[in-house]
Amino acid sequence: GAVVSQHPSRVICKSGTSVKIECRSLDFQATTMFWYRQFPKQSLMLMATSNEGSKATYEQGVEKDKFLINHASLTLSTLTVTSAHPEDSSFYICSARDVSGARWETQYFGPGTRLLVL
Amino acid sequence: KNEVEQSPQNLTAQEGEFITINCSYSVGISALHWLQQHPGGGIVSLFMLSSGKKKHGRLIATINIQEKHSSLHITASHPRDSAVYICAVWGETSGSRLTFGEGTQLTVNP
Repeated sequence: GAVVSQHPSRVICKSGTSVKIECRSLDFQATTMFWYRQFPKQSLMLMATSNEGSKATYEQGVEKDKFLINHASLTLSTLTVTSAHPEDSSFYICSARDVSGARWETQYFGPGTRLLVL
Repeated sequence: KNEVEQSPQNLTAQEGEFITINCSYSVGISALHWLQQHPGGGIVSLFMLSSGKKKHGRLIATINIQEKHSSLHITASHPRDSAVYICAVWGETSGSRLTFGEGTQLTVNP
C-alpha cells in the first residue's frame, strides 16, 4: 500500500530555533499534502493545505510566517516551525492525497513528528 | 455541535468481545473515513466508504447515507486493537479537506 514518511519522528529543540519537518510520499505522487497538528487527547487540526508548485493555503488562525510550508516536488512537502516556542510543542502529522488512484479521496497519513520545544 | 460526532468517547472491553463505535455527521458527504491511531501517534487508514458495508479481517464498517451514520465493528477483539479510532468525512462542499470526529479511545483488556 501507499506509504507516507515523516522525518524526523521526534525532535527536541531550544526556544527560538527553527525546526524543519519533511513529509514524503514514497511510492506515489501527491499534488496535495496536508499538515495537521494534534494536542494530547484531541483530534487532528488542519493547519494548511500544501499544493505542489504553489503557495500553501492556511487555515484561519494559523500564522503562515510562523509555519512555513514548501511543496517543491510531487513527493516532498516540508513544514518549518520558525522561532519555535514551548506552545508550539505538539504532534505534527502530514497526509498526502494520491491523485493517480481511482478515487480522488484516497489520502494516506504519515507517522507523525513529535516536537518538544524547551 | 460538531459536524462529526463519535460515541462512545471511551470504551473498555474484554478480549474477545464484539465492539461497536458509532459516528454521526451533520453535513452532506462524498465519503467517510475510519482511521486508527496507536499510542505512538501514527495513523492508519482502515476504511474509506461512501455507501454500504466493507469488511477487512475482523473489522467491518457500515454507512447509512440517509441517516448520516456510520459504524465500525470489531469482532473477536484483541488487546492489540487498543487504539484511538477516528471517523473523518469529506464534506460535499469542503473539497479535499477532512473533518474529524473527536475519536474513540478503545482499550481491550486480556
